Amino acid sequence: GAVVSQHPSRVICKSGTSVKIECRSLDFQATTMFWYRQFPKKSLMLMATSNEGSKATYEQGVEKDKFLINHASLTLSTLTVTSAHPEDSSFYICSASGQGGSNYGYTFGSGTRLTVV
Amino acid sequence: QQQVKQSPQSLIVQKGGISIINCAYENTAFDYFPWYQQFPGKGPALLIAIRPDVSEKKEGRFTISFNKSAKQFSLHIMDSQPGDSATYFCAASIPLNDYKLSFGAGTTVTVRA
Repeated sequence: GAVVSQHPSRVICKSGTSVKIECRSLDFQATTMFWYRQFPKKSLMLMATSNEGSKATYEQGVEKDKFLINHASLTLSTLTVTSAHPEDSSFYICSASGQGGSNYGYTFGSGTRLTVV
Repeated sequence: QQQVKQSPQSLIVQKGGISIINCAYENTAFDYFPWYQQFPGKGPALLIAIRPDVSEKKEGRFTISFNKSAKQFSLHIMDSQPGDSATYFCAASIPLNDYKLSFGAGTTVTVRA
């Protein structure tokens, strides 16, 4: 139980385009989802926290107009990287928590490798 | 500013040996301390977790030792296997802060056969 599916696993896009990453809780209701960014050989950096039906709360220094987060249902949150540039290339990971989820509160997705060319 | 300090940055251990990773924190409001294992190109997976009312927790070959007074906790991997080669992250969270996880910097463990 407590499975989080993240899609796509890899995406390459051209500079200036937008990319959408999906995070789905498959067998539980995710009332809270977190989005992280991870640079090579570095730790996870929290970008934003979203609660179902509410606006996301962004961490300091994260551009909310560039990284659009939508959490419209209890099973789906999306991260859209708008007008992507090469410096947005990174590994993006979501995690979810909620009723019926992991007893430890968080389940992570498998991550999305974004490359902007 | 990293709220959870993790060491070492990397370690190499022989198959069958013990891997030890240490973490320290300052915020006494933390009340949940998980360890995650991450393989290249994958998301982190929960390995084991502990709350501050317990000094030790063991699950298979993985043990967390927790010292509340010293504000330190550590992960011991017993009988290390090549399949344990991965990056390990300690973390901590505060319930009143939306349970946001503060991660350590990570430790890359290499187990030599």
